[in-house]
Amino acid sequence: GQSLEQPSEVTAVEGAIVQINCTYQTSGFYGLSWYQQHDGGAPTFLSYNALDGLEETGRFSSFLSRSDSYGYLLLQELQMKDSASYFCAVRDLGSNYQLIWGAGTKLIIKP
Amino acid sequence: SAVISQKPSRDICQRGTSLTIQCQVDSQVTMMFWYRQQPGQSLTLIATANQGSEATYESGFVIDKFPISRPNLTFSTLTVSNMSPEDSSIYLCSVEKSPLNGANGYTFGSGTRLTVV
Repeated sequence: GQSLEQPSEVTAVEGAIVQINCTYQTSGFYGLSWYQQHDGGAPTFLSYNALDGLEETGRFSSFLSRSDSYGYLLLQELQMKDSASYFCAVRDLGSNYQLIWGAGTKLIIKP
Repeated sequence: SAVISQKPSRDICQRGTSLTIQCQVDSQVTMMFWYRQQPGQSLTLIATANQGSEATYESGFVIDKFPISRPNLTFSTLTVSNMSPEDSSIYLCSVEKSPLNGANGYTFGSGTRLTVV
């Protein structure tokens, strides 16, 4: 079957670094994306990895290892505004390129 | 990336009635996607709407309950019909700026928070 697993909740301290992991099992793989969603808001696109390695965008980085069916989102210099839910999503060739979504990780940041 | 205007932002409806949600995109897009999201949970795809053809529904969702219109490349509506309290949820429309190339991601409307009483 198709599934993505990510931790339900992660807690970190302001100014620290946090990593949110995502493992996936899909019938076909066309890229791993990350989205941020604040309470009451819509998901916003953060990053996309189609090839192995690290992609960096400011304080956020995303990593992919296709051989391990694994990726992670790395958030550095955490700010209180980073408190949100983070979703990984895989484009699945077996589902007509639709996004398969993880359950989301709630990131709690403490001062 | 595309900008989507979605309305209404929220509504409280009586059971048995219908609500139509509208999404207007500021550029032409081939596919528009409709999602449902329970608070604190993940997104569930309801259907994909292509201009000029019937929408494609995911398992568990049917056209009679969630009719979709896609009259042109910038606009779509989703109707939640004969509502029950179980339909209370957040409904989101979404588009992908570069089809089949995920590098630009999906853009979402601001969502419609529906409460059925």
